[in-house]
Amino acid sequence: TQLLEQSPQFLSIQEGENLTVYCNSSSVFSSLQWYRQEPGEGPVLLVTVVTGGEVKKLKRLTFQFGDARKDSSLHITAAQPGDTGLYLCAGDRETGNQFYFGTGTSLTVIP
Amino acid sequence: EAGVAQSPRYKIIEKRQSVAFWCNPISGHATLYWYQQILGQGPKLLIQFQNNGVVDDSQLPKDRFSAERLKGVDSTLKIQPAKLEDSAVYLCASGTLGSPLHFGNGTRLTVT
Repeated sequence: TQLLEQSPQFLSIQEGENLTVYCNSSSVFSSLQWYRQEPGEGPVLLVTVVTGGEVKKLKRLTFQFGDARKDSSLHITAAQPGDTGLYLCAGDRETGNQFYFGTGTSLTVIP
Repeated sequence: EAGVAQSPRYKIIEKRQSVAFWCNPISGHATLYWYQQILGQGPKLLIQFQNNGVVDDSQLPKDRFSAERLKGVDSTLKIQPAKLEDSAVYLCASGTLGSPLHFGNGTRLTVT
């Protein structure tokens, strides 16, 4: 059983569309991170959120941490083919840097 | 700074054979992680080291998997004997307290 469930698992959209990826858990996290992974490479950090209700923006990407620090969302505005990849959330349950990854969302943006 | 180095990049073995993976973390990173990633899924934590001590190995199949980090720097992960379901990418990551994870590019293992 995964500690963090992501939805949707797969997403295929046209260039210019908006999308939201969800990361949900019944556990509370001291911080939550979002990563993007491309084929043949390791995940690369996009953002870290640490405060309940926190919203962070990275160009066309908006990340939100739930008030109870159990869930998070990633919203992409006007998706581009370069956004294609596997998006992963990861939660740190304790201050000992024990990171548990979500189930992943595979995004394909069609030109 | 140099990133996390892993080798080999690819390995193909037959079931019941043994295999070992090597990881060199970023210099100064006390924490080292080994993850198993099935294609298209999120990484699953196998083991976490803090220096040369084990912090969490609750999801490591200890009957066939072993890992060590003897001098608190490099680490090796071994599978003996391998099964078909061990086919996956094995990712190594390193970090320090309060910092994000830095990943290597992984070793893709195929067990036939």
